[in-house]
Amino acid sequence: SAVISQKPSRDICQRGTSLTIQCQVDSQVTMMFWYRQQPGQSLTLIATANQGSEATYESGFVIDKFPISRPNLTFSTLTVSNMSPEDSSIYLCSPGLAGNGDTQYFGPGTRLTVL
Amino acid sequence: AQSVTQLGSHVSVSEGALVLLRCNYSSSVPPYLFWYVQYPNQGLQLLLKYTSAATLVKGINGFEAEFKKSETSFHLTKPSAHMSDAAEYFCAVKDQAGTALIFGKGTTLSVSS
Repeated sequence: SAVISQKPSRDICQRGTSLTIQCQVDSQVTMMFWYRQQPGQSLTLIATANQGSEATYESGFVIDKFPISRPNLTFSTLTVSNMSPEDSSIYLCSPGLAGNGDTQYFGPGTRLTVL
Repeated sequence: AQSVTQLGSHVSVSEGALVLLRCNYSSSVPPYLFWYVQYPNQGLQLLLKYTSAATLVKGINGFEAEFKKSETSFHLTKPSAHMSDAAEYFCAVKDQAGTALIFGKGTTLSVSS
């Protein structure tokens, strides 16, 4: 398994502002998946980020709202832009690890509260 | 498109009783299937996974799941519930290596003494 860290672990933000979440993995991975978990809900895939190419967004998520960077094979960021209270969620990154039954492990998550 | 359905958003059992959490999948190809557990205010932990090697999969904490292709099911069981098993359980699927997991809505397991 991979060691995955996220920063910040939690934050409280004002509406209209933006927050950038960092995800660091201890090994090189081709793909990084970003998920959102709204309060009391399951995980929803936001986007898939490959190093060296633009991220692919799922239906209902757009690049202007959730820009993603993937500068190298161990690091990625997700920005939540122009936040509203509806963006209050846990955001999780998950590296796509080849082999090992294609198991996905998850970062500890960033708990975001928007006031 | 692949999807998973978890029957029962909330399951309550007594300590020592059998735990059965249901998961049915929809996939056009043999899938990869996973169960994850999330304890309150904690991250996701992998319980077990099916990747076609064996239909009965054993995981951590005494949990196991059986892949039944004819029923498109991957139900999670544990013979004897413990208070510490109280958590949220998620079934997830992917139908191709390298794609992202798709999650079910989750089942909250409550264990009473």
